[in-house]
Amino acid sequence: EPEVTQTPSHQVTQMGQEVILRCVPISNHLYFYWYRQILGQKVEFLVSFYNNEISEKSEIFDDQFSVERPDGSNFTLKIRSTKLEDSAMYFCASRENWWQNEKLFFGSGTQLSVL
Amino acid sequence: GENVEQHPSTLSVQEGDSAVIKCTYSDSASNYFPWYKQELGKRPQLIIDIRSNVGEKKDQRIAVTLNKTAKHFSLHITETQPEDSAVYFCAARGNAGNMLTFGGGTRLMVKP
Repeated sequence: EPEVTQTPSHQVTQMGQEVILRCVPISNHLYFYWYRQILGQKVEFLVSFYNNEISEKSEIFDDQFSVERPDGSNFTLKIRSTKLEDSAMYFCASRENWWQNEKLFFGSGTQLSVL
Repeated sequence: GENVEQHPSTLSVQEGDSAVIKCTYSDSASNYFPWYKQELGKRPQLIIDIRSNVGEKKDQRIAVTLNKTAKHFSLHITETQPEDSAVYFCAARGNAGNMLTFGGGTRLMVKP
């Protein structure tokens, strides 16, 4: 069964550094998302991306965050200047055409630790 | 925006018993309600979902019911097994967009 893949699985960085989290969505999917989950808490929406542009974003997704689909397969989340509170598990997710299939599939996540 | 509340936060049952997890949502226009199971350190996995035009859906030992009038939906697991132990999240998709809003999660523990 196709899966959303994410790299790296763990990322440790110093406060103030830039990080890029990478995702390869399922190949025929058109909607892409980033969610995050702080340890022991709920999954929180960050941003959705469709047709090469952001379609929705949450309050969490401020100017320090950006997303990009640099080629036909990768989908990246960049945090420009990391803060301690950015430490979380970041999940990428993807979905087919919304009118045909609403199921959202998650990647295995990147655990980001900001020191 | 959409707000999803989930109860209980923890639930402990004996193997073979049933487990029920309940969620309420705020946006009456929400039309899609999935349930995810998350084992420790792993990705959320979709286990069942329901659309707003259906009142109940069942898949083997798992069922979901939806009450649109009351704006709540529930997950029912029958004949629980130790491998059902995990955190379960409900979610709702509001009419305003295509994002999911998640509930706070329920830690289900099935004791053998």
